[in-house]
Amino acid sequence: EVQLVESGGGLVQPGGSRRLSCVVSGFTFSNYWMSWVRQAPGGGLEWVANINPDGSEKHYVDSAKGRFTISRDNAKRSVYLQMNSLRAEDTAVYYCAGTGFWGQGTVVTISS
Amino acid sequence: DVQLTQSPSSLSASVGDRVTITCRASQDVTNNLAWLQQRPGKPPKSLIYTASNLQRGVPSRFSGSGSGTDFTLTITSLQPEDSATYYCHQYNAYPITFGQGTRLEIK
Repeated sequence: EVQLVESGGGLVQPGGSRRLSCVVSGFTFSNYWMSWVRQAPGGGLEWVANINPDGSEKHYVDSAKGRFTISRDNAKRSVYLQMNSLRAEDTAVYYCAGTGFWGQGTVVTISS
Repeated sequence: DVQLTQSPSSLSASVGDRVTITCRASQDVTNNLAWLQQRPGKPPKSLIYTASNLQRGVPSRFSGSGSGTDFTLTITSLQPEDSATYYCHQYNAYPITFGQGTRLEIK
């Protein structure tokens, strides 16, 4: 059974930082691109970032460039999203996704 | 950025009906387009990849077609559990983008 389990969400003050994690099981993690996608309350889906299988290639949505960093550890079957300089508009459910599978999401709320 | 426009934004249909949702891209995405289903309060679920390929485990009443800029998701023989929001998304060019979603209500 494929599982993607995100963690790390919570309440963060504006300007703060948070690191999200996603642990994967059930497919050969090291073979696939992995993505983070977010969904603001009541809103649609927004791709945030992705990373290639060996971690050498990364892409970001413009609003995340310079603030967010995606990384992965294939030995731990994990992908991460380091988020800095957080803003109210970063409030969302953050999903980890790869090769057609999605996690349950972790909620990040930016508020003072 | 590639803009994806879905139509309709919402629709209502009955059990057993056939529905079609369209997704139009602002530029050619070849066949690098996928469809997702999101039930209320749940994460997205992948239905279709590369425009017409069914994800494993997805019922055959779902089908996708199209290439270039015009794509469709068709659901035949609607079931109550098909009540959800459906999204298209393209991965042909960065940034990866999503359509605004189509909300399907089952009467």
